[in-house]
Amino acid sequence: SQKIEQNSEALNIQEGKTATLTCNYTNYSPAYLQWYRQDPGRGPVFLLLIRENEKEKRKERLKVTFDTTLKQSLFHITASQPADSATYLCALDIKSGGSYIPTFGRGTSLIVHP
Amino acid sequence: EPEVTQTPSHQVTQMGQEVILRCVPISNHLYFYWYRQILGQKVEFLVSFYNNEISEKSEIFDDQFSVERPDGSNFTLKIRSTKLEDSAMYFCASSESRLLSGVRSSYNEQFFGPGTRLTVL
Repeated sequence: SQKIEQNSEALNIQEGKTATLTCNYTNYSPAYLQWYRQDPGRGPVFLLLIRENEKEKRKERLKVTFDTTLKQSLFHITASQPADSATYLCALDIKSGGSYIPTFGRGTSLIVHP
Repeated sequence: EPEVTQTPSHQVTQMGQEVILRCVPISNHLYFYWYRQILGQKVEFLVSFYNNEISEKSEIFDDQFSVERPDGSNFTLKIRSTKLEDSAMYFCASSESRLLSGVRSSYNEQFFGPGTRLTVL
């Protein structure tokens, strides 16, 4: 079956360092992959979208890479701040029957220590 | 900045009762979605809606669920006979368009509402 895998263990880093989160997927070749941020008790907030023909995408302190050979996306936050502490979700469309269903990973919790 | 709104923020109901969760998507958006998130688990897709009909639905979205756009602004999710396992956060989302890649399309940036916490007793 098709899966999205994100590291379930929380990532703890010191303020100012670069956080790197991983999203792996299996048995599928998505046309796009998206990253969202979710704070406790709140809805996900869209951050970045990367297409299958793009290797890298940047937005301010955020950078996403997409390796369709490894079936992996990396999400980087440079110069991290305590306010970046949240759960980060990757999402892509997974084929189910004749449809493509938007599917989220379980997310990785990032904790940035001052 | 436009945002998706949802009401109520918290709904408590007895098992077997019907509930209606309400959402007002962003006004110029054309695609609408419902997701749920059981406490501590991942966000799960329920259904997408476009042009007054369901586009896709997941296995979770069985006959107990229905969606409706009763007027030009509201988008509702009805659960006919709630079960204990329906307790979750329910998120509504909307997007302006879909992305196209050859014969395959994908959901564009989705804007999520704050959610309705449904508790079934």
